Amino acid sequence: AQKITQTQPGMFVQEKEAVTLDCTYDTSDQSYGLFWYKQPSSGEMIFLIYQGSYDEQNATEGRYSLNFQKARKSANLVISASQLGDSAMYFCAMRGMEEAGYGQNFVFGPGTRLSVLP
Amino acid sequence: NAGVMQNPRHLVRRRGQEARLRCSPMKGHSHVYWYRQLPEEGLKFMVYLQKENIIDESGMPKERFSAEFPKEGPSILRIQQVVRGDSAAYFCASSPIPDSGFSYGYTFGSGTRLTVV
Repeated sequence: AQKITQTQPGMFVQEKEAVTLDCTYDTSDQSYGLFWYKQPSSGEMIFLIYQGSYDEQNATEGRYSLNFQKARKSANLVISASQLGDSAMYFCAMRGMEEAGYGQNFVFGPGTRLSVLP
Repeated sequence: NAGVMQNPRHLVRRRGQEARLRCSPMKGHSHVYWYRQLPEEGLKFMVYLQKENIIDESGMPKERFSAEFPKEGPSILRIQQVVRGDSAAYFCASSPIPDSGFSYGYTFGSGTRLTVV
């Protein structure tokens, strides 16, 4: 079974500074994908960034980067130059290829609420 | 090109009533996934459907909940005799045929927020 852990219920960061949101995962799959989603107060789920388990380079998307450490089973999200609009819930998720059935659904962590201070 | 469309955005039901949540997948997508988000929690998988077929309903509560994805029209998540504990946000996502595997990130709809009073 897959599991995602996000140990930071809430984080604060000063505007224009960088922040790291932690994510660790557990899976027996050899191939899997790791994702981060943002959920602002309006409620929609916004895809941010993806990292494949076999990708050698850390993923980057604009101000978002994923610090992937496979041996430690961690996939931390780094947001550089924080903006007020970054205040939201952030969810780490993974998707594997289970041996049986159709386990291609996402497993989500409990989320981290990020507050950016002016 | 419209994304995943869910309606209604907000739904209020009294205890014992039925709730019907609709999801229209992205154009060309014929796989639909439903997720539930309880307050202050992450999304939890409920059910995975293809047109006219339930593929995986391992996350669905055994009673009162059902889902369908007919040949024509949106996917429907139905909750009968709602209770206060059903209050949550319900999200739908879709993917194409063939699904691109584990590297594919779902596009979620904006969700339906169900409040049971």
